[in-house]
Amino acid sequence: SQKIEQNSEALNIQEGKTATLTCNYTNYSPAYLQWYRQDPGRGPVFLLLIRENEKEKRKERLKVTFDTTLKQSLFHITASQPADSATYLCASHTTGFQKLVFGTGTRLLVSP
Amino acid sequence: SQTIHQWPATLVQPVGSPLSLECTVEGTSNPNLYWYRQAAGRGLQLLFYSVGIGQISSEVPQNLSASRPQDRQFILSSKKLLLSDSGFYLCAWSDLWGEPTNEKLFFGSGTQLSVL
Repeated sequence: SQKIEQNSEALNIQEGKTATLTCNYTNYSPAYLQWYRQDPGRGPVFLLLIRENEKEKRKERLKVTFDTTLKQSLFHITASQPADSATYLCASHTTGFQKLVFGTGTRLLVSP
Repeated sequence: SQTIHQWPATLVQPVGSPLSLECTVEGTSNPNLYWYRQAAGRGLQLLFYSVGIGQISSEVPQNLSASRPQDRQFILSSKKLLLSDSGFYLCAWSDLWGEPTNEKLFFGSGTQLSVL
């Protein structure tokens, strides 16, 4: 079956460093991947979308890559800040569309 | 601008009681509407989605149901809650007026449901 997988272990980094989160997909080839941020007790908020024909997409301190050979997307936050601490989710439509499937998310903790 | 309202924020219900969660969207027309559930420490599970009034697709067969009586209103219901229905319920909307590959979801603030 089609799957999107993220590292369930929390990522702890120091303020100012670059955080890198991984999203892997199996058994299908998504046309694009999305990344969302979720704070505790809140709904996810859309951050970035990257299409399969785009190698990289940037937005301020955020950068997303899409490697169709590795079947992987990487999400980077440069110059990380404690306010970046949250759970980050990747998502994509499965074949057949209209159903956005999410990974389990990776919790990021940025220490001062 | 578009907004999504979801209520209540918190709900504690006994096992076997009914459930009704409501979600409304403002500032757009004919949105796609979704209900997701997020169990503690787990990912988002799609429960239902709707592409129009009265059109409901179910992803998970269980004791929950959904209805869309109006264009921008989506309701999640149950006649008898189970312990396993506890979780964080999220309503979301999207529109497809642009390219399908531009579609992204806008989520409500969620309802934390505890079934005791």
